[in-house]
Amino acid sequence: AQSVSQHNHHVILSEAASLELGCNYSYGGTVNLFWYVQYPGQHLQLLLKYFSGDPLVKGIKGFEAEFIKSKFSFNLRKPSVQWSDTAEYFCAVNPYNAGNMLTFGGGTRLMVKP
Amino acid sequence: KAGVTQTPRYLIKTRGQQVTLSCSPISGHRSVSWYQQTPGQGLQFLFEYFSETQRNKGNFPGRFSGRQFSNSRSEMNVSTLELGDSALYLCASSLGQVFSYNEQFFGPGTRLTVL
Repeated sequence: AQSVSQHNHHVILSEAASLELGCNYSYGGTVNLFWYVQYPGQHLQLLLKYFSGDPLVKGIKGFEAEFIKSKFSFNLRKPSVQWSDTAEYFCAVNPYNAGNMLTFGGGTRLMVKP
Repeated sequence: KAGVTQTPRYLIKTRGQQVTLSCSPISGHRSVSWYQQTPGQGLQFLFEYFSETQRNKGNFPGRFSGRQFSNSRSEMNVSTLELGDSALYLCASSLGQVFSYNEQFFGPGTRLTVL
């Protein structure tokens, strides 16, 4: 069965600092990859996704992620975080041809200090 | 366009009871997936329904079941509740095209507390 690991459980940054959240997955086949964000008191929402093509994908609010197939990684980055980025971030994997089933990582709580 | 709605939003039950949670997908969406979110286990996939049929199932005991109606609304049922079933239950809907992934839109969740 596939699994997803997010190595940073809690991250605290000051505004304008750069962000990189790690995500590694274990699955031998083709996968679709996602980052979701859950702001305090809000629904889980899609930040960005990778299906195929350019391994560097851009999402909403200035976030981007890079898929490195050889490392089974899909790390999330943002050059300069804002206080409003305080949220919990989840990496997720969808095996190809597995319908809409998502396997999520454990999540990373990001706190941005103003 | 209305989002995914889940009812009730909060629920308190006692051990041994059963519970039914409801999810109304976005209009036009035919796939509904359910997830359990707990502090210890994180977000875990329960099952997915598409056109009234279960398309995928996660690794949960048979006490967890679901169904989907012809209008795509879905319910999940948990029988013989245990303390460990306390969680936020999330529903997600999508268009549900076959053989491809469709973006899922999540609802606010139902917070179940088992005493």
